[in-house]
Amino acid sequence: EVQLVESGGASVQPGGSLRLSCAASGFKFDDCAMHWVRQAPGKGLEWVSSINWNSGTIGYADSVKGRFTISRDNAKNSLYLQMNSLRAEDAALYYCAKSPRSGWWAVPIDYWGHGTLVTVSS
Amino acid sequence: QSVLTQPPSVSGAPGQRVTISCTGNSSNIGANFVVHWYQQVPGTAPKLLIYINNNRPSGVPDRFSGSQSGTSASLAITGLQAEDEAYYYCQSYGSRLSGSVFGGGTKLTVL
Repeated sequence: EVQLVESGGASVQPGGSLRLSCAASGFKFDDCAMHWVRQAPGKGLEWVSSINWNSGTIGYADSVKGRFTISRDNAKNSLYLQMNSLRAEDAALYYCAKSPRSGWWAVPIDYWGHGTLVTVSS
Repeated sequence: QSVLTQPPSVSGAPGQRVTISCTGNSSNIGANFVVHWYQQVPGTAPKLLIYINNNRPSGVPDRFSGSQSGTSASLAITGLQAEDEAYYYCQSYGSRLSGSVFGGGTKLTVL
């Protein structure tokens, strides 16, 4: 059974940093591209970032480019999101998600985690 | 505001057919980039419904179908059931430099 378990969400002040983690199991992690998608309370889905199987191809939404860094450790079956210079508009439920192929561009997301909540407030 | 525009809400009676549009531009759907659709019941994670325009993952009923024309895509649901009440999101892509984008979402109400 595919499992994606996010952690690291917390309440942080504007300008602060946070590192989210996603522990993956139930599938061959290094065969799959991975994603972070967020959802602000009461709002829709927003694509944040994606990474291919070997970290060779990475994409970021304009809203987080230069502040967030996605990475993965295939030996640990783990995905990460380093978030710096956090703003109020970054507050959201952050989902870890996977694709069924090694690349992420034009490939759908077939499994999602349950999300980890990030709050940004002074 | 998303680059992909969806109606905020649609509704239909049980057994009816509804469609949900997803309007983009020449930089995404109009560039012939694929569209995926997701269903999200409030309080749960999204679920893949349609991928690469009109393909259904295993377990998704054939009451759900997708289409694409020009700068728009559509999700059609026939034989509407109470369990279809949820939010629906389209997803497409810009260039490889601009990545991916979701539509703003549509709330489907089954009357």
